[in-house]
Amino acid sequence: DAGVIQSPRHEVTEMGQEVTLRCKPISGHNSLFWYRQTMMRGLELLIYFNNNVPIDDSGMPEDRFSAKMPNASFSTLKIQPSEPRDSAVYFCASSFRREMNTEAFFGQGTRLTVV
Amino acid sequence: AQSVAQPEDQVNVAEGNPLTVKCTYSVSGNPYLFWYVQYPNRGLQFLLKYITGDNLVKGSYGFEAEFNKSQTSFHLKKPSALVSDSALYFCAVRDGDDYKLSFGAGTTVTVRA
Repeated sequence: DAGVIQSPRHEVTEMGQEVTLRCKPISGHNSLFWYRQTMMRGLELLIYFNNNVPIDDSGMPEDRFSAKMPNASFSTLKIQPSEPRDSAVYFCASSFRREMNTEAFFGQGTRLTVV
Repeated sequence: AQSVAQPEDQVNVAEGNPLTVKCTYSVSGNPYLFWYVQYPNRGLQFLLKYITGDNLVKGSYGFEAEFNKSQTSFHLKKPSALVSDSALYFCAVRDGDDYKLSFGAGTTVTVRA
């Protein structure tokens, strides 16, 4: 398996522009997580999907952030409009939620820079 | 609520010496504990986990971790560190049936030749 695939790996955009990050989870996994990593805050959980349904989006910082999972093999995280403080590395992770002892597998991340 | 503490921002050791990265946790139910490693410009890689059973868990790359319920700790250890072990290490915990995986702040390990 190729693992969790994220695209793009790097994104540089101007303030105010829309940004869309993409994630393909591991085939067969039914749970998907979006995390954000910054020096100041470390790893923050943004949103969690189970069986394509958003279960908890309490970590989404503002209404400018939205996430979708239209099917089991694809998810997007959108920021509109983007701001410089959104600059971070965004990770997608997936796992097979049958029991709580399963580990999550992470993608390589998308490094977002908003100028 | 669940939380994880990694009390050391940095750990420096000489190659060949033992390596320990500390982690303590707080949960209200049964803890499921994990260690991940992150190399520069890479995602997090799973190292090992404790679910139940033997308190000493063995994982990838010669790492092991010891679960101590009375001290609520899950320290990561390697008997003989390599320069290639230099990376950022994260401890994480799930609380019982909660799906949420909470991460510590991370510990940067530097192994000098």
